[in-house]
Amino acid sequence: KNQVEQSPQSLIILEGKNCTLQCNYTVSPFSNLRWYKQDTGRGPVSLTIMTFSENTKSNGRYTATLDADTKQSSLHITASQLSDSASYICVVSVVGGSNYKLTFGKGTLLTVNP
Amino acid sequence: AAGVIQSPRHLIKEKRETATLKCYPIPRHDTVYWYQQGPGQDPQFLISFYEKMQSDKGSIPDRFSAQQFSDYHSELNMSSLELGDSALYFCASSLGQPDLTQYFGPGTRLLVL
Repeated sequence: KNQVEQSPQSLIILEGKNCTLQCNYTVSPFSNLRWYKQDTGRGPVSLTIMTFSENTKSNGRYTATLDADTKQSSLHITASQLSDSASYICVVSVVGGSNYKLTFGKGTLLTVNP
Repeated sequence: AAGVIQSPRHLIKEKRETATLKCYPIPRHDTVYWYQQGPGQDPQFLISFYEKMQSDKGSIPDRFSAQQFSDYHSELNMSSLELGDSALYFCASSLGQPDLTQYFGPGTRLLVL
């Protein structure tokens, strides 16, 4: 079982609509959680990063929430644009001693149609 | 603003050949990470370097090696290439402690025939 589960796997919405993507994780000890946007064939671009003490962070039309107790995060996209079509990846960072590990979710593929 | 630069962007090799991928981090970033992303897969962490020293090791095959040079650029050397090595290879960089946001490069698409 993947330690970072994202839902839905794919989502199609109309331009201008809002949407919410979900991320549940089981990795521990948790350090921080990031949301990345990845266009097809390109590198992931960081949207937000939150530590366990933060429960919301915004970046323009993107708002991420985090509930460290239930180990759930969401990414809300407001007033979607065609350029929002991409894969959105939830990444959880685990810190152990001097090392760290990033565990990637499999992403939600968002398609915004005109 | 300057971003992470990777070269080449595309590479075609045959089985058992070798390949070298290069990564130039964002200026002043001292930590470099390598990831492998197969078709339809999530990125898999391979290896990272901090201040020219290997800082962490993930699922990097023994056929692969990497290093970080004095100018902080990094090279991933891949030998005895296999068909399964065909993937998108990302490099990311960060400043200081490894827990900060990593900035990803555009990736090198490797195709092994």
